[in-house]
Amino acid sequence: DADVTQTPRNRITKTGKRIMLECSQTKGHDRMYWYRQDPGLGLRLIYYSFDVKDINKGEISDGYSVSRQAQAKFSLSLESAIPNQTALYFCATSDRPTGVVYNEQFFGPGTRLTVL
Amino acid sequence: KQEVTQIPAALSVPEGENLVLNCSFTDSAIYNLQWFRQDPGKGLTSLLLIQSSQREQTSGRLNASLDKSSGRSTLYIAASQPGDSATYLCAVDPGLETGANNLFFGTGTRLTVIP
Repeated sequence: DADVTQTPRNRITKTGKRIMLECSQTKGHDRMYWYRQDPGLGLRLIYYSFDVKDINKGEISDGYSVSRQAQAKFSLSLESAIPNQTALYFCATSDRPTGVVYNEQFFGPGTRLTVL
Repeated sequence: KQEVTQIPAALSVPEGENLVLNCSFTDSAIYNLQWFRQDPGKGLTSLLLIQSSQREQTSGRLNASLDKSSGRSTLYIAASQPGDSATYLCAVDPGLETGANNLFFGTGTRLTVIP
């Protein structure tokens, strides 16, 4: 079984709808992240969470919200979807850093979201 | 803001050839650099992570180097195989300066290895 799973894998929705993307991990990591990937722009950070009570905005948080329901679960919501939120969304996890050594991030398979 | 560039955007090579992928970044104050492989429908797979204090890392046929002062990293793939065909992404982590291990990604190099 995959260490980081995302549901759904594909979703087509209409403008104005509320959408939730879910991420679960079995790696036991404290840190979780949501990124989006657009053609020609690379991946950009939306939100990140260092633990259940610590949630922070990333580079492009406008129009999104998140919920960290448990150490293993981190959900991304689009309150009112718009077409320019059409993208590939990735969840990632990492362990807490040891000293100044920051650890690698592990990614889920992605969710392809299309907003019509 | 950290900017990461990968050149070329696409590369085709015959099977068996050795190749180098390039990554450059604008701010040399990084804590690590990570190389990923992205396959369609399968997300990102971490290949190598180089800490800022390291010059290179090796895993099998892959060797990644880091030159912080010049803002460059290379990923060397030896004896390429068709199974190496994928998009390769590099990402830098500025570490404590942003209060998180927030990765800044390049746009990737799409590699095709021709049998």
